[in-house]
Amino acid sequence: GENVEQHPSTLSVQEGDSAVIKCTYSDSASNYFPWYKQELGKRPQLIIDIRSNVGEKKDQRIAVTLNKTAKHFSLHITETQPEDSAVYFCAAPPGAGSYQLTFGKGTKLSVIP
Amino acid sequence: DVKVTQSSRYLVKRTGEKVFLECVQDMDHENMFWYRQDPGLGLRLIYFSYDVKMKEKGDIPEGYSVSREKKERFSLILESASTNQTSMYLCASSYGTGEYSNQPQHFGDGTRLSIL
Repeated sequence: GENVEQHPSTLSVQEGDSAVIKCTYSDSASNYFPWYKQELGKRPQLIIDIRSNVGEKKDQRIAVTLNKTAKHFSLHITETQPEDSAVYFCAAPPGAGSYQLTFGKGTKLSVIP
Repeated sequence: DVKVTQSSRYLVKRTGEKVFLECVQDMDHENMFWYRQDPGLGLRLIYFSYDVKMKEKGDIPEGYSVSREKKERFSLILESASTNQTSMYLCASSYGTGEYSNQPQHFGDGTRLSIL
């Protein structure tokens, strides 16, 4: 099955700085890569996703990049704000056309005012 | 907006009891999932279903079963609860079949289950 590794497990940044979270996956046929944000006590919510036919996608302060050759994808948050503090999860399906997602273990991001 | 509703936010049960966790989605999604979330382990898939009465094992199905009698409802069953099943349980649903199966999953608020 798919193996998704996520780093770092914890990340502290000063408000206004950038944050980068990286994930690697094992199945070269995987073609969909979502990122979820989970605030304390709340449900995981999709913040951005990318498909394997593009290398980068941006939504305001959030961007995701995908390197299919190296089998890794990254979440970039610019101009961080205290409300960005949360646990972030990456995920990938075990191959193309799969209903499932395998999640990384999560990154706890703390933005220090 | 997609709504995934889990029947309980908090539940306390005793060892050996049969426990039912219920999940309902209102978007006519084909696919439904049950995960458990434990600190440092992320979200681990227990079971999923891609159609009514269909089910597939996930990564950690031991000690659990599921039921999907109607498209909108997916139940997780702990046949004989044990203390190592104390956890946060999350239900999710997604649209899509076949070549369109890779779609975002929408989560419920979770049920924090304690087994004493």
